[in-house]
Formats: sequence, C-alpha cells, structure tokens
Amino acid sequence: DTGVSQNPRHKITKRGQNVTFRCDPISEHNRLYWYRQTLGQGPEFLTYFQNEAQLEKSRLLSDRFSAERPKGSFSTLEIQRTEQGDSAMYLCASSVQRPDGYTFGSGTRLTVV
Amino acid sequence: AQKITQTQPGMFVQEKEAVTLDCTYDTSDPSYGLFWYKQPSSGEMIFLIYQGSYDQQNATEGRYSLNFQKARKSANLVISASQLGDSAMYFCAMREQSGGGNKLTFGTGTQLKVEL
Repeated sequence: DTGVSQNPRHKITKRGQNVTFRCDPISEHNRLYWYRQTLGQGPEFLTYFQNEAQLEKSRLLSDRFSAERPKGSFSTLEIQRTEQGDSAMYLCASSVQRPDGYTFGSGTRLTVV
Repeated sequence: AQKITQTQPGMFVQEKEAVTLDCTYDTSDPSYGLFWYKQPSSGEMIFLIYQGSYDQQNATEGRYSLNFQKARKSANLVISASQLGDSAMYFCAMREQSGGGNKLTFGTGTQLKVEL
C-alpha cells in the first residue's frame, strides 16, 4: 500500500483521557500535514512538518495538542485531557515539494463522550 | 471574509448529465493554487484537479474540468457524464504562496447526489 495510512480509524474516549493518533505518510514525501474536520465543515489546518521539523502551527492547536515527527517519517498527534469539542475527524496528508495536491489519509474519527 | 466560498450546500444531478459545482475565492496573493477534493462517506479526501494561478489553460482530468475565471475569482468544478459513484461531498480549496504555501484553506463543501 503506497498511500497515507492513519491509525486508528475510529477512537471513542472518555472526556479527560489522552489519545494519540498515528500517520504514516507516503515514503518519499518529506512534507506532512495534520487537519481537523468537524461535522459539516471543510478540513482546517492544524500543523505542518518538513522532514522532522514542525514549521507551522495553527492557533487551533491548543496547548493540549502536540504533534511530533521524530525521524521525519511517521507522525503522531496527541490530545491531552480530551474535551467533547475535540470530537472530529483528524486527517493527515503528505506531499513532496510541488504545487499540486497533497495525498490525504482516510482519517481518524475521534468521539469524546 | 471567507477565503473560499461554496454557496451550494447540496446539488442533485441525473446520471449521465453534467453538473457544475461553484467555488469563489478571495486572495490578494498573486501566486496561488486551487484544488478540488472529493470526500465519500468513508471519509478519505480524494484529490481531483488542480489549477495554478498562472496557468493559461483550464485544468482537465478525465471527466473533471475546472472553469477558472481569474478576474471573477471563480474556480468552478464541472463533472461531465455523472455516475452514481460521483455521489459525495466536494470541497474547493486554495493554497496561497504567501505564508509559505504550506496549508490548504477549504470551503464548506457541496454534497452532490447523483440520481438514476
């Protein structure tokens, strides 16, 4: 499989718990992105990595959110002390340095109860 | 102001007919890119077509074409010969060169339903 892989596909957690999502990009892609999509909306940018460096973070990425890409390959997105408002689809995408599209993964759907 | 505006929350089209999904954008950046993505109910975002702001011709990819009207800041997606499998959510998005050109700004989407 040469696409962008995200795990888990679904996660249900209780409010206050920590969750971690994983994204495996396409192997030759040096750029990796995280987006959040709430019901009825388009995806919103969260953060961007070039190789292992996190180069841009949205204001949406509160202190409870942290993203890493330790070796410039896979990435993790952790949410601490989850809140009901964190319920959303979390999408990962990767790209090379070219003007046209990213490749998105299938997303992780988080439900906080 | 919204950077990407999709004014059609839902559209219906009959199988084999053509359909146009509207998208207008707002930017002062002279260099930008416009994208359309398809999102089926399964959730993945599928890249359909790309138009660069300096491209002289409208982009086409199979049954998809992008009607790019730069002066009107419009980038409508045209799907020809609709198929039942085209039923999905469609998002228009823009990447601006200023700020590094590293993120996409999406519209709110148009839900397309293809009927027999």
